[in-house]
Amino acid sequence: GENVEQHPSTLSVQEGDSAVIKCTYSDSASNYFPWYKQELGKGPQLIIDIRSNVGEKKDQRIAVTLNKTAKHFSLHITETQPEDSAVYFCAAEVVTNAGKSTFGDGTTLTVKP
Amino acid sequence: GAGVSQSPRYKVAKRGQDVALRCDPISGHVSLFWYQQALGQGPEFLTYFQNEAQLDKSGLPSDRFFAERPEGSVSTLKIQRTQQEDSAVYLCASSLGGLAVSSYNEQFFGPGTRLTVL
Repeated sequence: GENVEQHPSTLSVQEGDSAVIKCTYSDSASNYFPWYKQELGKGPQLIIDIRSNVGEKKDQRIAVTLNKTAKHFSLHITETQPEDSAVYFCAAEVVTNAGKSTFGDGTTLTVKP
Repeated sequence: GAGVSQSPRYKVAKRGQDVALRCDPISGHVSLFWYQQALGQGPEFLTYFQNEAQLDKSGLPSDRFFAERPEGSVSTLKIQRTQQEDSAVYLCASSLGGLAVSSYNEQFFGPGTRLTVL
């Protein structure tokens, strides 16, 4: 089955700096890669996703890149703000597998004011 | 509009007790998922429903775990004879379409039920 590894497990940055979180996956059939933000006591919330037919997607301060050959994808947050502090999860999914996502173990991002 | 809701938010059970966890998905959402999230880890897939049909239960850890969605809306995850290793947050998610409708459906997660087995 699919295996997703996520690094780093913790990340601390100063407000205004950039943050990068990296994930690798094992199943070459995976073709959908969502990123989630989870705040304390809440469920994960989708923040951005990328499909296998594109290499990069950007939404304001957040961008995701995908390298299918190397089987890795990354989340980039620019101009970080204290409210970006949360746990971030990457996931990989074979879309025809009914939305059954395999998640990484998460990155705890702390943005210091 | 209302999101996915789950109840109870917290449940403490003695080892050996049965528990039932409820999920109310977003109205009209065809697909419903249950995940188990251990402390410090990502969610792990348990089971998937399309309407009332349970199409995938490959992630259920043992036959003590049972899920149902009899009318295609509310779902219940039942754990019989709870063990300490069942302690986790149980997340429910729903999405708009099933396989026949569309691909790449965003999953909307509920806040989870934190189960502690003593």
